[in-house]
Amino acid sequence: AQSVAQPEDQVNVAEGNPLTVKCTYSVSGNPYLFWYVQYPNRGLQFLLKYITGDNLVKGSYGFEAEFNKSQTSFHLKKPSALVSDSALYFCAVRVGNQGGKLIFGQGTELSVKP
Amino acid sequence: KAGVTQTPRYLIKTRGQQVTLSCSPISGHRSVSWYQQTPGQGLQFLFEYFSETQRNKGNFPGRFSGRQFSNSRSEMNVSTLELGDSALYLCASSLDPGSADTQYFGPGTRLTVL
Repeated sequence: AQSVAQPEDQVNVAEGNPLTVKCTYSVSGNPYLFWYVQYPNRGLQFLLKYITGDNLVKGSYGFEAEFNKSQTSFHLKKPSALVSDSALYFCAVRVGNQGGKLIFGQGTELSVKP
Repeated sequence: KAGVTQTPRYLIKTRGQQVTLSCSPISGHRSVSWYQQTPGQGLQFLFEYFSETQRNKGNFPGRFSGRQFSNSRSEMNVSTLELGDSALYLCASSLDPGSADTQYFGPGTRLTVL
């Protein structure tokens, strides 16, 4: 069965420090990987995706993610965290033969303190 | 370009009633997917529509149904509401159901079942 795991329910970071939100996946076939962010009482906002090619993907708001096929991981990173980055982050995977269905991780609450 | 819109934003219903939620995709997008978000189960895929046809369906009971109109707008219906149906229902649109395409989410409809 296809699945996505975000091993940390919460990540705490000081403003200005680098942040990492972890994601691992288990799929059969080539994965398409996505990161979304959700602010309170809002829908999901797209940050970035990996389809093919360069393993380092750059996205919105200074975020980037590195695809690692051998470790089946797609960790989200940012070199310098902002207080405004505090939100709920979701990793998602889509498999090529399943159309638009996204499988989401459980989410990681990121808290950035001044 | 306007984003995905969902109406209504909030709904309160009682057990046994039925409810219809509406989603208008981004202009030009032909694929619409629906997701349910709850604290316990996280984000779960309900169904996907493209060109008025259901292409994919998640593991939900038959009380959950949907449809898509010729203008790509979509509705989902939940009949015989149960307390457990209380959730944030998110709609997402994309250009086509290709696996690599990005889904853009609306703000969601918050359904409370009393």
